[in-house]
Amino acid sequence: NAGVMQNPRHLVRRRGQEARLRCSPMKGHSHVYWYRQLPEEGLKFMVYLQKENIIDESGMPKERFSAEFPKEGPSILRIQQVVRGDSAAYFCASSPNRGVSPLHFGNGTRLTVT
Amino acid sequence: TQLLEQSPQFLSIQEGENLTVYCNSSSVFSSLQWYRQEPGEGPVLLVTVVTGGEVKKLKRLTFQFGDARKDSSLHITAAQPGDTGLYLCAGAGVEIKAAGNKLTFGGGTRVLVKP
Repeated sequence: NAGVMQNPRHLVRRRGQEARLRCSPMKGHSHVYWYRQLPEEGLKFMVYLQKENIIDESGMPKERFSAEFPKEGPSILRIQQVVRGDSAAYFCASSPNRGVSPLHFGNGTRLTVT
Repeated sequence: TQLLEQSPQFLSIQEGENLTVYCNSSSVFSSLQWYRQEPGEGPVLLVTVVTGGEVKKLKRLTFQFGDARKDSSLHITAAQPGDTGLYLCAGAGVEIKAAGNKLTFGGGTRVLVKP
């Protein structure tokens, strides 16, 4: 029963390095969402992608952050030149279609910037 | 910008007591979802409410969607230690076609049920 797979589970980066977070959606799901969660807070929407397309990136910081979901392979959230404020849990969720349907979340990647 | 406010932020009760968590907004949502999140894990969907005034029950959990689709509540009867966790409400905007499943999350309510 393969759910949404995220890796790595934990990632430590020094300031200025790059972080690459990967997400494999559930089988049959072609819609992927990335959310960020700060400690003791709710989740904040970052970006919504469909295969090879960015549908909505209104929650993504304008600089240093990018996301892709290629035809083959996992979705990637890339953070360049990380800063301490990027430390958070990053969750990926997938759904089978564009409509309102349950989101299936992965267990997240916890990024720590030292 | 659509915002969802949850209250209280933290709730500590004894096993067997009842509790209610509230989720409020000034915006209308096409649907509202409730999730529970355990430490170190992703949120897990509990229920989706779609119709204004709708009430759904899941064992000891009762979910209600306000008539105007701006607010929701989660009521747990006879809470058990296994109910401990972070409860999150999340609303889907009315512009479904553009937003897809883009959800606006509340800040969460951390529930602690002591044995």
